[in-house]
Amino acid sequence: EVQLVESGGGSAQPGRSLRLSCAASGFTFDDYAMHWVRQAPGKGLEWVSGISWDSDSTGYADSVKGRFSISRDNAKNSLYLQMNSLRAEDTALYYCAKGVYYDLGSGFASWGQGTLVTVSS
Amino acid sequence: QSALTQPASVSGSPGQSITISCTGTSSDVGGYNSVSWYQQHPGKAPKLMIYDVSKRPSGVSNRFSGSKSGNTASLTISGLQAADEADYYCDSYTSSTTLVFGGGTKLTVL
Repeated sequence: EVQLVESGGGSAQPGRSLRLSCAASGFTFDDYAMHWVRQAPGKGLEWVSGISWDSDSTGYADSVKGRFSISRDNAKNSLYLQMNSLRAEDTALYYCAKGVYYDLGSGFASWGQGTLVTVSS
Repeated sequence: QSALTQPASVSGSPGQSITISCTGTSSDVGGYNSVSWYQQHPGKAPKLMIYDVSKRPSGVSNRFSGSKSGNTASLTISGLQAADEADYYCDSYTSSTTLVFGGGTKLTVL
């Protein structure tokens, strides 16, 4: 059974940083792209960032480009999201999601339960 | 990265069929066969229902089907059940090497 467990969320002041982690199990981690998707309270889904199976290809939403950085450690079956220069509008539940394929070109086959990030002064 | 366009809400009676549309551009929906659909119940994580326009993951009921024409993709749910009441989101790969979601559609089963 696929399991994705996010951690690292919490409260941060605007301008500060947080690092999210996602521990994956139940599948061959380095066979799939991985993504971060967020959902602000009461709002819809927003793709944040994705990374291919071999880390060769990454992508970012315009809203986070230059501030967030995605990475993965296939030896540890882990996905990360370094979030810098946080803004109030980054407040959301952040989901770790397993890609359908090895590249960024398709959707999200499995989802974690999310970790909440709150940015407020 | 403009969001794909979905109707805010749709409704149907048990046993009926409904269709949710997802409209984009030639740079996303129309340019790639990489449209997916997700079901999200309140307080739960989304669940993949359709990928690559019309493929169903293992375990998803065949009452759910997907299609695409031009820049518009569609999700059809037949034999509507009370358990289908949820929010539905589409997404697509884009020419900018990104993914973009629709705004979501609330399905009400009357």
